[in-house]
Amino acid sequence: QVQLVQSGADVKKPGASVRVSCKASGYTFSDYYMYWVRQAPGQGLEWMGWINPGSGGTNYAQKFHGRVAMTRDTSITTAYMELSRLASDDTAVYYCAREVRYCANGLCSKSFDYWGQGTLVTVSS
Amino acid sequence: DIQMTQSPSSLSASVGDRVTITCQASQGISNYLNWYQHKPGKAPKLLLYDASNLEAGVPTRFSGGGSGTDFTFTISSLQPEDIATYYCQQYDSLPITFGQGTRLEIK
Repeated sequence: QVQLVQSGADVKKPGASVRVSCKASGYTFSDYYMYWVRQAPGQGLEWMGWINPGSGGTNYAQKFHGRVAMTRDTSITTAYMELSRLASDDTAVYYCAREVRYCANGLCSKSFDYWGQGTLVTVSS
Repeated sequence: DIQMTQSPSSLSASVGDRVTITCQASQGISNYLNWYQHKPGKAPKLLLYDASNLEAGVPTRFSGGGSGTDFTFTISSLQPEDIATYYCQQYDSLPITFGQGTRLEIK
């Protein structure tokens, strides 16, 4: 069965960087884009970007440009999200999510069918 | 960016009630809209894709509709296990955006 297992909670100081991992199993890792979404305390869901595990290509939300890097290691079917220059408002639960696509007649339906369990990143001095 | 506005932001209803949530996009998104259920401490769960298609394994009391800018999400008979926050999400164009969420409580 499909599983996305994320790394554990982390505490960082302002200005530091954090790397969250997402170990995928139960499917062909390179066939599905991996997205990263975060939820700050009391807030809604916020899209951060995606990585194509097959090619390594990425697309980041403008808000995080220059501060986020999404990578993958296909040999261990793991995706990574690294966020640098952390500030207190980066305190959030970070999720990886697999994008599933259904395409027909040139149109593709896209949704997130499997999610990791979430990783709490706390930024505090 | 496409803004997604959900209403209400919170809702209290009784078991067995019919519950409806609306989601409005700031511009037309065809039917490129998904609905997720999010329980505290759990990962979000996909319920509906393309506005009205039920994800496999999701109970049929959940349904959705709409196209363009106005969408609805309905639970036909509220069950205790439906207590959660519900989010709409558009994928018509990047950045992908979510509604602010609707917190559903049992009365």
